[in-house]
Amino acid sequence: DAKTTQPPSMDCAEGRAANLPCNHSTISGNEYVYWYRQIHSQGPQYIIHGLKNNETNEMASLIITEDRKSSTLILPHATLRDTAVYYCIASSYNTDKLIFGTGTRLQVFP
Amino acid sequence: DTGVSQNPRHKITKRGQNVTFRCDPISEHNRLYWYRQTLGQGPEFLTYFQNEAQLEKSRLLSDRFSAERPKGSFSTLEIQRTEQGDSAMYLCASSPRTSPESSYNEQFFGPGTRLTVL
Repeated sequence: DAKTTQPPSMDCAEGRAANLPCNHSTISGNEYVYWYRQIHSQGPQYIIHGLKNNETNEMASLIITEDRKSSTLILPHATLRDTAVYYCIASSYNTDKLIFGTGTRLQVFP
Repeated sequence: DTGVSQNPRHKITKRGQNVTFRCDPISEHNRLYWYRQTLGQGPEFLTYFQNEAQLEKSRLLSDRFSAERPKGSFSTLEIQRTEQGDSAMYLCASSPRTSPESSYNEQFFGPGTRLTVL
């Protein structure tokens, strides 16, 4: 699975959009980009995944660049409850395990 | 609550003792995973089951670790002769993934068991 690189931490004001970047320059054609988050003292929680098209669900939007070497997770209106560590994972469809990095610690402030 | 449950939530033990953790996955999820997480790091994959079959084990899973999933329902993770380096959060996850061709790899995580080895 491709290695991903994320900034260690980010801040965001409550109500504003949080844009979390992820670099996966060595991603291969059969690898999807997954995003999970982990709120303090809880297990990770699935957010969204995509291959090459942008995706949106009730939690977030995922924007993948045309060359697929990077992506951005967008939380459109961040709340205090979105404070968590966000993990970007590149994983092929035939791999079951998730390879987590150290993620981005997002702090949403009032 | 129909989520993944883990017991106990916390375990303190002395070095050299054996410990066993239990994971109850979401009903009808055929895949079950174990991960380990140390402070400041992301979870690390340990092993996973499809039904009762253990399909993959990480090199992190030394001979002192054993996992089972009898009858394809709940799973146990046992650590024998615990060492201080085993102190970590042990996370269990389950997934309804039915085929390798499915891109849908949403894993549902439990709250974890925090192990402290003194």
